[in-house]
Amino acid sequence: AQTVTQSQPEMSVQEAETVTLSCTYDTSESDYYLFWYKQPPSRQMILVIRQEAYKQQNATENRFSVNFQKAAKSFSLKISDSQLGDAAMYFCAYRSAFVTGANSKLTFGKGITLSVRP
Amino acid sequence: DAMVIQNPRYQVTQFGKPVTLSCSQTLNHNVMYWYQQKSSQAPKLLFHYYDKDFNNEADTPDNFQSRRPNTSFCFLDIRSPGLGDAAMYLCATSRDYLENEQFFGPGTRLTVL
Repeated sequence: AQTVTQSQPEMSVQEAETVTLSCTYDTSESDYYLFWYKQPPSRQMILVIRQEAYKQQNATENRFSVNFQKAAKSFSLKISDSQLGDAAMYFCAYRSAFVTGANSKLTFGKGITLSVRP
Repeated sequence: DAMVIQNPRYQVTQFGKPVTLSCSQTLNHNVMYWYQQKSSQAPKLLFHYYDKDFNNEADTPDNFQSRRPNTSFCFLDIRSPGLGDAAMYLCATSRDYLENEQFFGPGTRLTVL
């Protein structure tokens, strides 16, 4: 079974600064997807960025980028130019690329609460 | 806007009193998921539907049931809630199994007294 670990429960960043959120995972599969989801207080979880394991290039979405290290099974999220609206809980998640019903589920880490200081 | 809607947002029930949580979607997606998210824990999949085909996770307690009467709606029934069932319940959808993005509702926070 796959596992996702987010070892830091909380982080804080100064507005306009850069912060990196860590995530490690364990799997025996060779192909899979990794995600970062953002869950603002009392609002729905939304997808921030995704990475396909067979792609060596790190995904980037505007101020959000990832550092994907497949051999180390590490998948960190970098937020540049942090904004007050970035304050939220961030979840790292895994999904198998070998799609069946059971494998379509997301396996989440415990999440990290990010606060942004003005 | 197309979205995933969950009602109610907050639900209080008594120990042992059945409760139903509702999820609806305007995305016309085939797959609907129910996740349980306890405080300071990762969201955990309870079960999901592909159209009308029900798929239960092996470790989901029998106390949890689900219904999907049509494409748009999916219900989570907790037959006899215990204190340990207090959690946030998240509904999510995806177009199909190949579509790897899941769209989440805002969740229902269940309190058991």
